[in-house]
Amino acid sequence: GAVVSQHPSRVICKSGTSVKIECRSLDFQATTMFWYRQFPKQSLMLMATSNEGSKATYEQGVEKDKFLINHASLTLSTLTVTSAHPEDSSFYICSAGPGTNTGELFFGEGSRLTVL
Amino acid sequence: GEDVEQSLFLSVREGDSSVINCTYTDSSSTYLYWYKQEPGAGLQLLTYIFSNMDMKQDQRLTVLLNKKDKHLSLRIADTQTGDSAIYFCAESGKYGNKLVFGAGTILRVKS
Repeated sequence: GAVVSQHPSRVICKSGTSVKIECRSLDFQATTMFWYRQFPKQSLMLMATSNEGSKATYEQGVEKDKFLINHASLTLSTLTVTSAHPEDSSFYICSAGPGTNTGELFFGEGSRLTVL
Repeated sequence: GEDVEQSLFLSVREGDSSVINCTYTDSSSTYLYWYKQEPGAGLQLLTYIFSNMDMKQDQRLTVLLNKKDKHLSLRIADTQTGDSAIYFCAESGKYGNKLVFGAGTILRVKS
């Protein structure tokens, strides 16, 4: 089946630094990718929709200057957490779909960010 | 707005059937999904059902959809310890691929 890969799977950084997370669709092209954030024992919260070749669409309450999204190609979207703080520590998951009639979305393995 | 609700916890004995329930609010959703998440991992698509179907069976999994009541269920037959995980239902929402998730149901299988 379709595969979506994220990197890194775990990252620890100091407060104030920026961290980049990559999301790749390995065997299909994705004009749209989605970024989610998951807090412990909670569901996924959609952060933004990443559109290839154009600006991302952010959900209400998500700071676009804080969470920079770049969808530079049909197989790669990146999420950069800028000037990270401990409250940004979370599990970030991306998803993408091949755009078939099923509307299936495949998820990356997730990236656990810990900000010290 | 869109909202999806699930019970938070279910405990079953190995070999029994598990039924996880979900209610949603967006009647325009085209697809409804069940995802499985194991500890520290991403989400794995288990199965999905098109909104004009009542039932879908896939090996040990049976999905029932009551569109009138906006109720979705996932039945796992012969539940195994490896089925222990968090199960999320999701609706496709008005715009298709923009999924709205429930909070997840923790399934614990006792041997």
